[in-house]
Amino acid sequence: QVQVVESGGGVVQPGRSLRLSCTASGFTFSNYAIHWVRQAPGKGLEWVAGISYDGSNKYYADSVKGRFTISRDNSKKMVYLQMNSLRPEDTAVYYCAKRGSGWDLDHWGQGTLVTVSS
Amino acid sequence: QSALTQPASVSGSPGQSITISCTGISSDVGGYNYVSWYQHYPGKAPKLMIYDVSNRPSGVSNRFSGSKSGNTASLTISGLQAEDEADYYCSSSTSSSTLVFGGGTKLTVL
Repeated sequence: QVQVVESGGGVVQPGRSLRLSCTASGFTFSNYAIHWVRQAPGKGLEWVAGISYDGSNKYYADSVKGRFTISRDNSKKMVYLQMNSLRPEDTAVYYCAKRGSGWDLDHWGQGTLVTVSS
Repeated sequence: QSALTQPASVSGSPGQSITISCTGISSDVGGYNYVSWYQHYPGKAPKLMIYDVSNRPSGVSNRFSGSKSGNTASLTISGLQAEDEADYYCSSSTSSSTLVFGGGTKLTVL
């Protein structure tokens, strides 16, 4: 069955960097776009970034543009989210999700918590 | 990239029907048939309930249905059950090839 698993979360000081990883199984990884979505404590879901099936197209929310970079390695079935210049408002559970046939996210991971605090 | 507008909360009794609205603009909800709906229990992974405005993924109950008119999409849950109590989010593609979510709606089953 399709599985998506995030890792790499933790506590980091403001201004520092962190890299999240997303590994997938159960489907032809290189055929699908992958997205990152986050949920800050007590808040709703916020789309963060997305990458096309072959890595040629990358898209970012305005709130992270210039600070976060999404990438993928299809040979390893991995997607990464490099987060630089982290701010307290980046504190959230970060979910990795597989895009479906349209612009839906049909399979999600359990999330990894990122806490930005001094 | 303003969030889509959803009511903060809705409620209904078991067996009743409820509808959650999701309002955007012409460059997201109104411009594309790529509206999705997600059910989210706190601490769990969100679950896709509706995609492409009105399509149900395999395994999702036919009590869940979606529609769209102009810049507003809607999720209807009929025959409300206790286990439907959760947070519900809509999302849409945008003219910038990004995704935008609604603020979320907390459904309470009375």
